[in-house]
Amino acid sequence: GAVVSQHPSRVICKSGTSVKIECRSLDFQATTMFWYRQFPKQSLMLMATSNEGSKATYEQGVEKDKFLINHASLTLSTLTVTSAHPEDSSFYICSARGHRDTGETQYFGPGTRLLVL
Amino acid sequence: KQEVTQIPAALSVPEGENLVLNCSFTDSAIYNLQWFRQDPGKGLTSLLLIQSSQREQTSGRLNASLDKSSGRSTLYIAASQPGDSATYLCAPWGTLEGAGSYQLTFGKGTKLSVIP
Repeated sequence: GAVVSQHPSRVICKSGTSVKIECRSLDFQATTMFWYRQFPKQSLMLMATSNEGSKATYEQGVEKDKFLINHASLTLSTLTVTSAHPEDSSFYICSARGHRDTGETQYFGPGTRLLVL
Repeated sequence: KQEVTQIPAALSVPEGENLVLNCSFTDSAIYNLQWFRQDPGKGLTSLLLIQSSQREQTSGRLNASLDKSSGRSTLYIAASQPGDSATYLCAPWGTLEGAGSYQLTFGKGTKLSVIP
């Protein structure tokens, strides 16, 4: 199956700093990328959906000015957590979906563990 | 808004047992349904995808069924092994309004422990 990578896999930062997480589709062009957040023992919650070259669509309750998403190319999307606080500590997972001819399946990245001190 | 419930939340079985994981969803107007496995601290591994026209899907020791009208899906694992220990997530595909595509809604999962 298709491969999606995330970088970094784990990050620890001080409160107030910004953190950027990269999501790359390695062997296909991702027209749509999704960002999820997962708190311990909770389900994955969709944060936002982004289409290449367009502004991201954020789910209700997700602050777009805090979680900046850029989907500048067909293989890369970035999530920047600005002015991170301890409550932003979570597991962030991206997924990517290609053109219709590659199917509707979402391929998930390995996740990024963020710890804000 | 789609809500997904998975029962049980946790399950511990001895090696070799057959087991069933349950998933229910409130909005039956789904496209497909997908089962995933998540190991601790890791991302998701897709196990089975049941397309809207199908009622079940099989892969090795795994069998998933889907009853859209009742809003239920089950994942059957035969002859469980310690390596099956993980959290299993159910995710129905719903329409992403205005975008002409689909989004997944996840349950909290069932944490499975298979005891050697």
